[in-house]
Amino acid sequence: GQQVMQIPQYQHVQEGEDFTTYCNSSTTLSNIQWYKQRPGGHPVFLIQLVKSGEVKKQKRLTFQFGEAKKNSSLHITATQTTDVGTYFCAGPIEYGNKLVFGAGTILRVKS
Amino acid sequence: DSGVTQTPKHLITATGQRVTLRCSPRSGDLSVYWYQQSLDQGLQFLIQYYNGEERAKGNILERFSAQQFPDLHSELNLSSLELGDSALYFCASSAGVAGAYNEQFFGPGTRLTVL
Repeated sequence: GQQVMQIPQYQHVQEGEDFTTYCNSSTTLSNIQWYKQRPGGHPVFLIQLVKSGEVKKQKRLTFQFGEAKKNSSLHITATQTTDVGTYFCAGPIEYGNKLVFGAGTILRVKS
Repeated sequence: DSGVTQTPKHLITATGQRVTLRCSPRSGDLSVYWYQQSLDQGLQFLIQYYNGEERAKGNILERFSAQQFPDLHSELNLSSLELGDSALYFCASSAGVAGAYNEQFFGPGTRLTVL
């Protein structure tokens, strides 16, 4: 069935370093969403990308949607300890009613 | 605070038992989604209700059932519990019916432990 793969599974960075997580789908996605889950917390919506090649920025976070709409990435510039958590991408299956989540990338930041 | 509430926060029970998890969506949201999060399976979509009607079903076991009431709160019933059902159960809500096109607001979750 349709899957959303996410890499890497874990990333430990020194505070101030950059971080990137990648999301790949086996099929073309109509849109992709990104969520962040802090340790012990719940997923929180970050952004939705819809257009092919779309790039959106939120302060130090840059989100990209691939030209083929099969991949996406989240890049964090100059990580801070507040960036710690698990970042999930999620895409629709079955005509948009179901959201399938990637396995997530756990980010740890060493200060 | 997402505006979505879930009770209880923690639940410890024995195998074979039945439990009910409760969720109240954000004010004005008509869709409620249930997710299961475990270490080995990640975040898995279970089921969606929109304005009282079932709209989408994921990999929900037959031992599990859900409903959404006229006041829009939802309950997830888990029966004949097994050790493998131990997980975090999240409820999410959104304004629209198309779950994958709407921002979903997650509740704090219910941690279920089956002993």
